[in-house]
Amino acid sequence: AQKVTQAQTEISVVEKEDVTLDCVYETRDTTYYLFWYKQPPSGELVFLIRRNSFDEQNEISGRYSWNFQKSTSSFNFTITASQVVDSAVYFCALSEAQGGSEKLVFGKGTKLTVNP
Amino acid sequence: ETGVTQTPRHLVMGMTNKKSLKCEQHLGHNAMYWYKQSAKKPLELMFVYNFKEQTENNSVPSRFSPECPNSSHLFLHLHTLQPEDSALYLCASSQDGVQDPRIIQYFGAGTRLSVL
Repeated sequence: AQKVTQAQTEISVVEKEDVTLDCVYETRDTTYYLFWYKQPPSGELVFLIRRNSFDEQNEISGRYSWNFQKSTSSFNFTITASQVVDSAVYFCALSEAQGGSEKLVFGKGTKLTVNP
Repeated sequence: ETGVTQTPRHLVMGMTNKKSLKCEQHLGHNAMYWYKQSAKKPLELMFVYNFKEQTENNSVPSRFSPECPNSSHLFLHLHTLQPEDSALYLCASSQDGVQDPRIIQYFGAGTRLSVL
């Protein structure tokens, strides 16, 4: 069965610190997609990134970067120079790339608090 | 409006009440989802609709009854709920098909439900 583990329940940092959120996944499929979502206090899950299982290149988007390593089944997310607005719960998710409706399996989330 | 809109944002109901949650997506997607987010638990997929047809019912109790009259609207009818049903109910939509950006699910802000 698919599973996503976010071992860090809560992280607290001071503004401008770098922070890495860990995500480890389990799947038997060779084709799959990984996602990160951000959930601010307003409740809406905001899509951040999607990565397919054949693309192991790391990605950078502004202060955000993602490190995908199939060898360790990890898809970690780093925020550089964190800001107070980054405070939110971050979810890692896994989806099978099969026909029909997609099912996302979510981790339990990591609550990030960035203090001024 | 853009994106996925959920109403009401907050709902308090007694165990004998009947209420409905509404979700509307303005993204032209053909698949819609209901998720339940309880405290300290991963997001749980409840129902999936693809082209108005229910394709997934994740062993949800019959006191939750979904309805999808068209690809843009999704309802969740509630009756005789239990206090443990109190949670954030999130709606999402995606464009299922063979072309990108398939399988990215876009979420609404949720309905915070309290059952007394």
